Amino acid sequence: GAGVSQSPSNKVTEKGKDVELRCDPISGHTALYWYRQSLGQGLEFLIYFQGNSAPDKSGLPSDRFSAERTGGSVSTLTIQRTQQEDSAVYLCASSSGLAGEADTQYFGPGTRLTVL
Amino acid sequence: GEDVEQSLFLSVREGDSSVINCTYTDSSSTYLYWYKQEPGAGLQLLTYIFSNMDMKQDQRLTVLLNKKDKHLSLRIADTQTGDSAIYFCAETYTNAGKSTFGDGTTLTVKP
Repeated sequence: GAGVSQSPSNKVTEKGKDVELRCDPISGHTALYWYRQSLGQGLEFLIYFQGNSAPDKSGLPSDRFSAERTGGSVSTLTIQRTQQEDSAVYLCASSSGLAGEADTQYFGPGTRLTVL
Repeated sequence: GEDVEQSLFLSVREGDSSVINCTYTDSSSTYLYWYKQEPGAGLQLLTYIFSNMDMKQDQRLTVLLNKKDKHLSLRIADTQTGDSAIYFCAETYTNAGKSTFGDGTTLTVKP
């Protein structure tokens, strides 16, 4: 079946503009994660959705960042008033969210955001 | 809080074994993972180990876990040029929840 997809694959924007990044998780996966990977760095956790529970937003770096997940499926990460330090690859992952398993996260290819 | 550390670079010759090391701080980790990231791609899960295990073997991959020292390693036997990538260690303390990732080890395999 289809894996995790993200769009756009690349986004170039001007400082101060808002951007929306989209993630389509694997069908049936209840858990969805957003990470940020800056050049040469590891993954920085941003936000985690699990079913109907309140999302874990503990990784969002500022109030310019927000995310929502509609109908328990597609998620959108929004960055308002983008800054140059927001330039990074934004990775989305999903997992089955089932207890008693390793709950492997499956990653999308990422969206490369460049803020000029 | 949780912290995961890895050495940044490793270079080996084709055919040799590679050993990538990782240390973590969260003693309540239940699953530890190794992911591979090739250029321009997302992360691909290679293998994982449950915290009550010491070793897991999967074809050319061997994972060793020393829970006392909070040390995890990934051994790749007969390393090939196609194994060149960035390898991330990650931990999670529940079996459904966010993972903490290391900064990744860039493995370069020379012919």
